[in-house]
Amino acid sequence: QAGLTQPPSVSMGLRQTATLACTGDTNNVGGQGAAWLVHYQGHPPKLLSHRDNTRPSGISERFSASRSGNTASLTIAGLQPEDETVYYCSAWDSRVGAWVFGGGTKLTVL
Amino acid sequence: QVELVQSGGAVVQPGGSLRLSCVGSGFTFSDHALHWVRQAPGKGLEWLAGISYNGDIQYYSDSMKGRLTISRDNGKDTLHLQINSLRGDDTAVFYCAREFRVGDGGFDVWGQGTVVTVSS
Repeated sequence: QAGLTQPPSVSMGLRQTATLACTGDTNNVGGQGAAWLVHYQGHPPKLLSHRDNTRPSGISERFSASRSGNTASLTIAGLQPEDETVYYCSAWDSRVGAWVFGGGTKLTVL
Repeated sequence: QVELVQSGGAVVQPGGSLRLSCVGSGFTFSDHALHWVRQAPGKGLEWLAGISYNGDIQYYSDSMKGRLTISRDNGKDTLHLQINSLRGDDTAVFYCAREFRVGDGGFDVWGQGTVVTVSS
């Protein structure tokens, strides 16, 4: 099953804005969108954005998601040191009938 | 509060089997599809299996298809994952997760994770 493509790493400065990309195809991201998760090692992942780009209750407005064609994006504004970790996108793939994840992007806050 | 609590992780010999469990509380368990996801050491998240809200539909990742059985008991608010023919590369942290809403939701509630180590 083909997964989603994320850049392995992104680096941005403190208080700057980072945009993380997630590329799929019309069967997954382009069809029903992508959800975004943040994962700190040793803890379960945490949902930042549903596939319809809405934030779950309790998620900071610093995190916003969008989609253009087959590419989903997560924008993190006002970067903080605690934002330094790994971010994953996920989507339902209607062609293979399975969920797929991106490989994850390690965000470094300089 | 809304939570999923996992159990069943263990050290298992190659070729062995294991059953993981995940109990939900604080929400209507039978309203949600549920999933299993794993993370092998040094690797990313990998979706393994999902089951519809009423258990009628199960779907699996190709990577472990044939070795997994996902099931649920809505009367006991419990999700299970049976894993057979375990191999060394199955060593991972396994998570259960709730799908918020079919169609446009994401996995919004996660279990704490349970470690499965396959080793002789």
